[in-house]
Amino acid sequence: RKEVEQDPGPFNVPEGATVAFNCTYSNSASQSFFWYRQDCRKEPKLLMSVYSSGNEDGRFTAQLNRASQYISLLIRDSKLSDSATYLCVVNKASGTYKYIFGTGTRLKVLA
Amino acid sequence: DTGVSQDPRHKITKRGQNVTFRCDPISEHNRLYWYRQTLGQGPEFLTYFQNEAQLEKSRLLSDRFSAERPKGSFSTLEIQRTEQGDSAMYLCASSLNTGELFFGEGSRLTVL
Repeated sequence: RKEVEQDPGPFNVPEGATVAFNCTYSNSASQSFFWYRQDCRKEPKLLMSVYSSGNEDGRFTAQLNRASQYISLLIRDSKLSDSATYLCVVNKASGTYKYIFGTGTRLKVLA
Repeated sequence: DTGVSQDPRHKITKRGQNVTFRCDPISEHNRLYWYRQTLGQGPEFLTYFQNEAQLEKSRLLSDRFSAERPKGSFSTLEIQRTEQGDSAMYLCASSLNTGELFFGEGSRLTVL
C-alpha cells in the first residue's frame, strides 16, 4: 500500500461546481497534513494546512478523519483559475519532518 | 529575490556522466529537502537536512546519489553515472520549523 494515496483524476467540473478530493494515508502515527497546489510546469505551493478541527479558507475547506486515515479538500464555487493539480502531503510519522506527497489529483474547471 | 533558487534550471547529459545540482534555500530556513518529480507523479522524497545534518535518505536512492549541505546553508545533489531513468525534475525546498515547504523552480535533468 502506498504511504499517501490520491485519485489522480482528472476531475473535469463546470465553473461554479463544488468538488471534493480525498487522500488516504497509511501511517496512523502521522501528525501533520497539508494540501499543496501545483500548476502545470510550476513548483508546488502550500494551499492550506489540515488541522484536527478542520480548516476553512474562503472557498476551500480541508478536513481530517484520523479514524479512517484520510484527509479531504472541498472546493466550492470552482473558478477557472482553480485548474491545477492538488497534492496531499503527510509527514512520515510523529516527530519527523519527512513529508510524503501523494501523486496528486488533477482538476480542470471548464467554462 | 529571497526565494529558493536552484541551478542549473536545465541539464542535458549523456548516460554515464556525473551531474551536480545546487540549491540555495531561503536564508533563515534550517531544513532543506530534495525531491524528484516525473510527469504525472507527485514529488518523491529523496533526502532532507536539518542544518548541516542529513537526517533521512530515501531507500529509493542508490549509492549513485549523494547530497551535502556543508555549512547548513546551500546544498548540492550529485548523481554519478547517470542513467536514463534519472531523467526527472529535481526539486529543492526549504522550511523553518513548520510544515510549509517553499520550493524552488527545480532543475530538469535529461539523460540521453
